[in-house]
This record gives sequence, structure tokens and C-alpha cells, in this order.
Amino acid sequence: GAVVSQHPSWVICKSGTSVKIECRSLDFQATTMFWYRQFPKQSLMLMATSNEGSKATYEQGVEKDKFLINHASLTLSTLTVTSAHPEDSSFYICSARRDRAGRDTQYFGPGTRLTVL
Amino acid sequence: AQKVTQAQTEISVVEKEDVTLDCVYETRDTTYYLFWYKQPPSGELVFLIRRNSFDEQNEISGRYSWNFQKSTSSFNFTITASQVVDSAVYFCALSEDFGNEKLTFGTGTRLTIIP
Repeated sequence: GAVVSQHPSWVICKSGTSVKIECRSLDFQATTMFWYRQFPKQSLMLMATSNEGSKATYEQGVEKDKFLINHASLTLSTLTVTSAHPEDSSFYICSARRDRAGRDTQYFGPGTRLTVL
Repeated sequence: AQKVTQAQTEISVVEKEDVTLDCVYETRDTTYYLFWYKQPPSGELVFLIRRNSFDEQNEISGRYSWNFQKSTSSFNFTITASQVVDSAVYFCALSEDFGNEKLTFGTGTRLTIIP
């Protein structure tokens, strides 16, 4: 089956620093990737849609200048949390859409747990 | 706007009992997709099923079965003969856009199977 990886799996950083999270589709090309955020014991909320070669599309209420998304290749999307603060602590999950004629399927990464001190 | 409601926040059942997780959705589209995912304590989402709005046939996969009722906008999930390994948070999700698959998730149901 298709595999999506995330790196790092967890990260602890100081308030004010920036953190980059990578999402890779390992055995397929993904023109579209998604970034979700999940607070403890809550649901997943879509943050943005990442499109290869173009600007990401952010959901309402998500600050694009704080959560920088770059989808530079068909297998890699990165999410950078800039000037992180404790309220940004969360579980960040990416997914990659595998394009198949009439049968698009979305595969999720294992998630990255961010803790901002 | 689309919405997914999972009214059951937490459920506990004794091992070997059957359990049904409810999911009710709202959408304006006539074409949409419904999903169920399992999230064990490790956090990784495990895909269970995807169903399109034109296919109302119920589906069974081993101990899992799904009941899709368009008339009541429900897509319920039943686990028969539950096992401890079934303990997890289960999410129902909806996608309106064919080929896009932006997912709207429900709030999840935490299922605990008591040995």
C-alpha cells in the first residue's frame, strides 16, 4: 500500500522559534497534500491544501504567514510553524492524495507531535 | 457547508459484545464520499472504508459492517464480537469534492473494549 511519512515524529521547541515538518509520499507522486491539526482529544481540522508548484489554499481562520506551506516537489510538502507559541502545541497530520482515474485515495502520515515550551 | 456529527463521545463495552458507532452528516452536494478512520493510541490514522453517495449497499468486512442510509443521512459503523485491539478513537468523515477529498471530520468516538 501507499506510504506517507512525516518527519520529525515529535519535536519540542522554545517559544519564538520556527519548526519545519516534512511530509513525504514514499512510493507515489502527490500533486495535492493536506495538512491537519488535532488538539488533544479533539477532531482533525483541515488547515490547508498544498498544491505542487502553486500556493497553498488555507482554511478560514488559519494564518498563512504563521503556517508556511511549501510543496516544492511531487513527493514533498513542508509545513513551517513560524514563531511558535505554546498554543501551537498540537498533533500535526499530513495526507497525500494519490491520483488514480476515478479512484483518488488519500493516505495519511503518522503525525508530528509539536510541543512548544 | 458540510458537517459530520458523532454524538457518542465515549463508549465502553465488554469484550465480545457488538457495538455500533453512529455518524450523521450534512451536505448540500448530491455527490459526496463518506469515510471511517480508526486512530489507535499511536496516533496514526487507519483507513477503514470509503463509500460514495451513489452506493447505498451495506458493506461487511470481517467483524466490521457499515450501514449507509441516505434517507437519514447516516453512515453507522458496527463492530461485532469486539476485541481489545478495537479500542481506539473512530472518526467519521465527509468529502464533498470529487477528486479533491478535503475531509471534514466528526469529533470522534472513543471506544474502549473491556477485557
